[in-house]
Amino acid sequence: VQLLESGGGLAQPGGSLSLSCAASGFPFSNHAMSWVRQAPGKGLEWVSIISGSGGSIYYEDSVKGRFTISRENPKNTLYLQMNSLRAEDTAVYYCAKSPSALTWLPPYYFDFWGQGTVVTVSS
Amino acid sequence: QSALTQPASVSGSPGQSITISCTGTSSDVGGYNYVSWYQQHPGKAPKLMIFDVNNRPSGVSDRFSGSKSGNTASLTISGLQAEDEADYYCSSYRSSSTLYVFGTGTKVTVL
Repeated sequence: VQLLESGGGLAQPGGSLSLSCAASGFPFSNHAMSWVRQAPGKGLEWVSIISGSGGSIYYEDSVKGRFTISRENPKNTLYLQMNSLRAEDTAVYYCAKSPSALTWLPPYYFDFWGQGTVVTVSS
Repeated sequence: QSALTQPASVSGSPGQSITISCTGTSSDVGGYNYVSWYQQHPGKAPKLMIFDVNNRPSGVSDRFSGSKSGNTASLTISGLQAEDEADYYCSSYRSSSTLYVFGTGTKVTVL
């Protein structure tokens, strides 16, 4: 199993960034995928999850209306489009794999994580 | 979202046992057996150590065990080793539009 995030970098407040997570080593469409972030020196914070089919999506309250999660199963790739960025969005963003394809039923944990990509929001 | 509460730090000598607590509410830890624990070494990705309160993934040492009582879950590391020095985070399903909540994190130091 391998998850490789990319797309991080420096963005201005109010700006946008698009993250990608390339997956390999497992049947991508059979697994829900999440984005989890970690601000500098802080703890983990779940951001969003998408089901294996892409038909079910949930967001953490602070990113609703600003972030959009999506996936392209034929390309084994997960995305996070981040708009209206704020300083408090500065963090390492990890993609994380769920054991099943569903979001609304258990299991509720992440069995594999990528190494993360750094997002910095600053003027 | 309000995070689950963990002690900031726990320490122990090699060979000893330590326990990390994770306190939530009846909407998360207390209401469901969906507590998981993650180990994170500095600059590394988190690693799943325990799922569904007390289950170990394949490859995780049996020195790691989990339990739950009421609104508080616990991770116990027995036979503490130098390689166990890391940050540990609990997580739980939460019955709200925010499906998942993490704990505040605990730094484990091996003396």
